[in-house]
Amino acid sequence: QQQVKQSPQSLIVQKGGIPIINCAYENTAFDYFPWYQQFPGKGPALLIAIRPDVSEKKEGRFTISFNKSAKQFSLHIMDSQPGDSATYFCAASMEYGNKLVFGAGTILRVKS
Amino acid sequence: GAGVSQSPRYKVAKRGQDVALRCDPISGHVSLFWYQQALGQGPEFLTYFQNEAQLDKSGLPSDRFFAERPEGSVSTLKIQRTQQEDSAVYLCASSLRRTDRLAEYFGPGTRLTVT
Repeated sequence: QQQVKQSPQSLIVQKGGIPIINCAYENTAFDYFPWYQQFPGKGPALLIAIRPDVSEKKEGRFTISFNKSAKQFSLHIMDSQPGDSATYFCAASMEYGNKLVFGAGTILRVKS
Repeated sequence: GAGVSQSPRYKVAKRGQDVALRCDPISGHVSLFWYQQALGQGPEFLTYFQNEAQLDKSGLPSDRFFAERPEGSVSTLKIQRTQQEDSAVYLCASSLRRTDRLAEYFGPGTRLTVT
């Protein structure tokens, strides 16, 4: 059962563009929503995370937008650079839970 | 060490063989997690330890999968009688505090190929 649906599967943008990756969840008990970045041959690395009591969170060039009523959240990467080319995963977890439920991933390529 | 380390990085096993995958978490980290990542997919939770106690093993796909962390540091994931569907990258992750119940720092993974 896929509890977190992620789109698009892949994305190509020009340097300086703003890629947007979207995720939708089904389980209303989820209350923690992180994003991970993964380079080939490496494990996922935590980028930024949000809880449903806020609608937006910014850390550097990365922004999460959260829509609780629609059960959707998205990652925006401002002023994207070729070094941002990686696979991005959204995830969700329940309060006091210990397991992350990941989306299927988005392969991002930033062209120079 | 500087991060979570895993060994071997690559493992090829013939169907039916047993394998053991090792995880060295960041020193002092209380919580340890194992995830399975199939090709082109997101990681899927397998099991969670707090020190030496295995508090959640709900994600282990069958009784062929077994994990242990006997001294609360290094962990081993063992797969008995490997099958082709076990082919995946096995990720280990750790977190510092007892209250950090979610994976924070991931290792590079062990890529298991069952032929």
